[in-house]
Amino acid sequence: GAVVSQHPSRVICKSGTSVKIECRSLDFQATTMFWYRQFPKQSLMLMATSNEGSKATYEQGVEKDKFLINHASLTLSTLTVTSAHPEDSSFYICSARAGRNTEAFFGQGTRLTVV
Amino acid sequence: GENVEQHPSTLSVQEGDSAVIKCTYSDSASNYFPWYKQELGKRPQLIIDIRSNVGEKKDQRIAVTLNKTAKHFSLHITETQPEDSAVYFCAATDSWGKLQFGAGTQVVVTP
Repeated sequence: GAVVSQHPSRVICKSGTSVKIECRSLDFQATTMFWYRQFPKQSLMLMATSNEGSKATYEQGVEKDKFLINHASLTLSTLTVTSAHPEDSSFYICSARAGRNTEAFFGQGTRLTVV
Repeated sequence: GENVEQHPSTLSVQEGDSAVIKCTYSDSASNYFPWYKQELGKRPQLIIDIRSNVGEKKDQRIAVTLNKTAKHFSLHITETQPEDSAVYFCAATDSWGKLQFGAGTQVVVTP
């Protein structure tokens, strides 16, 4: 299947700093990328949907000024967690698809720890 | 928006038996329903998907059924094996194109 690469896989940052996570589709053009947050033994909570060249659509309760999403090209989307706090510690995972009703491929996820 | 509900949350089956996981969705315009398997520490992987123009799809030991009228779809795994142990997620693409997931089912296959 297609490959989606997410970096970094793990990051530890100090409270108050910002962290950028990259999600790349390596062998296909991703018209849509999704960003999820997954708590231990829980489901994938959709944070935002990002379409190339347009502003991301955020789910209710997700602060767009805190979780900045950029989808500037068909192969790259970034999530920046701004002014991170310990409660932002989580597993963040991206997903990318080429078309609306096609398979969405996942990145390997990023374990964020804010200390 | 779309609300996907999944049951059961945990499922323990004996090796060789069948496993069934059920999901319901709320957005009648949803038309794509994938199922993902996530092993511990790994990314979710698609195992099967179904589109709204068909009622059933099968791939070896895995099958999915869709009832659009009732807005529910199910995953069936036959002849379960220990390597089928994982968390399974159903999902639906809603009318906005968003891919929303169910809560997940922890499947444990005991030898």
